[in-house]
Amino acid sequence: DAKTTQPPSMDCAEGRAANLPCNHSTISGNEYVYWYRQIHSQGPQYIIHGLKNNETNEMASLIITEDRKSSTLILPHATLRDTAVYYCIVRVDQTGANNLFFGTGTRLTVIP
Amino acid sequence: EPEVTQTPSHQVTQMGQEVILRCVPISNHLYFYWYRQILGQKVEFLVSFYNNEISEKSEIFDDQFSVERPDGSNFTLKIRSTKLEDSAMYFCASSGQGDRFRYFGPGTRLTVT
Repeated sequence: DAKTTQPPSMDCAEGRAANLPCNHSTISGNEYVYWYRQIHSQGPQYIIHGLKNNETNEMASLIITEDRKSSTLILPHATLRDTAVYYCIVRVDQTGANNLFFGTGTRLTVIP
Repeated sequence: EPEVTQTPSHQVTQMGQEVILRCVPISNHLYFYWYRQILGQKVEFLVSFYNNEISEKSEIFDDQFSVERPDGSNFTLKIRSTKLEDSAMYFCASSGQGDRFRYFGPGTRLTVT
């Protein structure tokens, strides 16, 4: 029942931009794209979310294609602390709703 | 920055024993959740709790599990009679009214022997 497809793993050199892709070709018009990450068995951490416009915050940028069938999370200057599993999740934006389903994500390794 | 806390960080118990995992959500939050993650597997939803009652639960959350908000600050998960397959990381999360995302705690590692 996966709604998103992500590569299982990626490497990125420290200091370079990390670009993590996500395919969500069956996304519905009212579904948002969310990104969370999980650093080594810690609790998942929210990163960013968007509907159709590109978004940026202090952690990352989110680029969503015009047809909304794919998106890219960009960490502009990856550090060793960004090594984690990154989850792309599509969900209806409803407070309290249990529609936050974690897939297998992309394991990003930042290399010194 | 406000954070969700969980205790203990690691709990070891024998099969058949009852365990209670504790969470202190962020103080003005209204929605509370438990998730679990078996080693090497996905993060799985267990239960959500709002207005002092369960709002949703997964098929994992069977009669062996219960949740409670005994006072204004704690949110607990009880497993009545633990099994080996209950060994996992258990994450508590909370969100406030209008929040679009969830704050997760650091987790409790439950080991059933």
